[in-house]
This record gives sequence, structure tokens and C-alpha cells, in this order.
Amino acid sequence: QSALTQPPSASGSPGQSVTISCTGTSSDVGGYNYVSWYQQHPGKAPKLMIYEVRKRPSGVPDRFSGSKSGNTASLTVSGLQAEDEADYYCNSYAGSDNFVVFGGGTKLTVL
Amino acid sequence: QLQLQESGPGLVKPSETLSLTCTVSGGSISSNRDYWGWIRQPPGKGLEWIGNIYYSGSTYYNPSLKSRVSISVDTSKNQFSLKLSSVTAADTAVYYCARLGSHGGVSYWGQGTLVTVSS
Repeated sequence: QSALTQPPSASGSPGQSVTISCTGTSSDVGGYNYVSWYQQHPGKAPKLMIYEVRKRPSGVPDRFSGSKSGNTASLTVSGLQAEDEADYYCNSYAGSDNFVVFGGGTKLTVL
Repeated sequence: QLQLQESGPGLVKPSETLSLTCTVSGGSISSNRDYWGWIRQPPGKGLEWIGNIYYSGSTYYNPSLKSRVSISVDTSKNQFSLKLSSVTAADTAVYYCARLGSHGGVSYWGQGTLVTVSS
């Protein structure tokens, strides 16, 4: 079970938009519309930000959006704010044998 | 509001078995829509899925840990538990219990508990 590939870091200035990618295979990201994204601040548990590729849980700002093309999913954060600085992880359903796989994480810095 | 709370020893000796329990409050572990699972995060590193259990007892394990992992559920106590055998220093991590949907999305997380493997 290989981890999904994310860039280790991303950055942007307040008000700008940043996109974080999450690349898998046809056995996970490409095979199912079940990609989720999580935000994790230091010392805290992760928080669900996006599920099923593009759906937002109640309470998550619409500045956060998700998409997918082929084996790559993306999280876009628009109108960057200081509180968006955190680690972001993707995960994907990977079938009944492997169930779920996580990405390695991306540290988002707001300049 | 659903809450999950991990409990168990914070220090385990190498070669021994790590045991953790997650107590679920504010909801029933017998929900037919949800899976209950464990996810870990070594210090300074990323998240790793360990495994899930359904209230009926069906389990799913990370293939890389499958030979050492066992997850069980006690519906009468609204709890589920993790056992990881033959631990080494590489198993040192913050262990999270979580509620997952049927396709892997994690909607609720416990606060996490640090387990250190050391003699």
C-alpha cells in the first residue's frame, strides 16, 4: 500500500490562492470519487475539510475547494488567511482490500 | 456531538504489545453507516492508516501492519480497541481513534495519544 504523493510544501501571500496536489493511481484516487482532505495545526488532531472529492462539511469556509482529474486530486485554498497555515493531508478510498491510503502531507505557509 | 477518547499506556517496551481503547460518546458505535478505526502519526511525520472495524466485527487492516494488528469492538461499552504486537521504536507515534465513512473519509477524530516504545 503506497502513500499518495503530495508536495512537501506550498506557500502564498494573504488573499492569494494556493493549490495542493495529491497523486495516486487508478487503484485509489483515479478509481474512486472518494478523496478527502484534512487540515492539521501543530499539536492538534486533523480536521476534515473536503470529502468525496469536492464536498465541504458544515462549517468549512467555501474558500476551500476540491477537484480531481485522472489519478490526481487537488485542494485549492482561495483568499488565503493566516489561520490557513497548517499541514494538509489527502486520503483516498483504495478498495475493499486496502480500504484507505493517506498522502504524505503538505505544509502550507502563509507568507 | 460525537466525541472519541483514546486511553492506554503511554510507554511500551520493545517486543511487547501496544494496547489502546477508544471510548465513543454522543453517538452509538452500532451505527450501520460508520466504521471505527485507528490512524497513527510518528513524531514529525505523516498520517498512516492502521485499520478499521465495523460494529458487526468485520475488520480491515493496513497490509503492511496486518500480521501484527488486531482491532476489536465492544458494543455494550461503546468502545473499540487496538492491539499491535511485537512493537519497535518505529511504532512510536501519536495514535488517533476515528470514525470513518464506508469509503474512507474520516469525519471525527479523537484528540490522539502519544505512545512511546522504549525500554
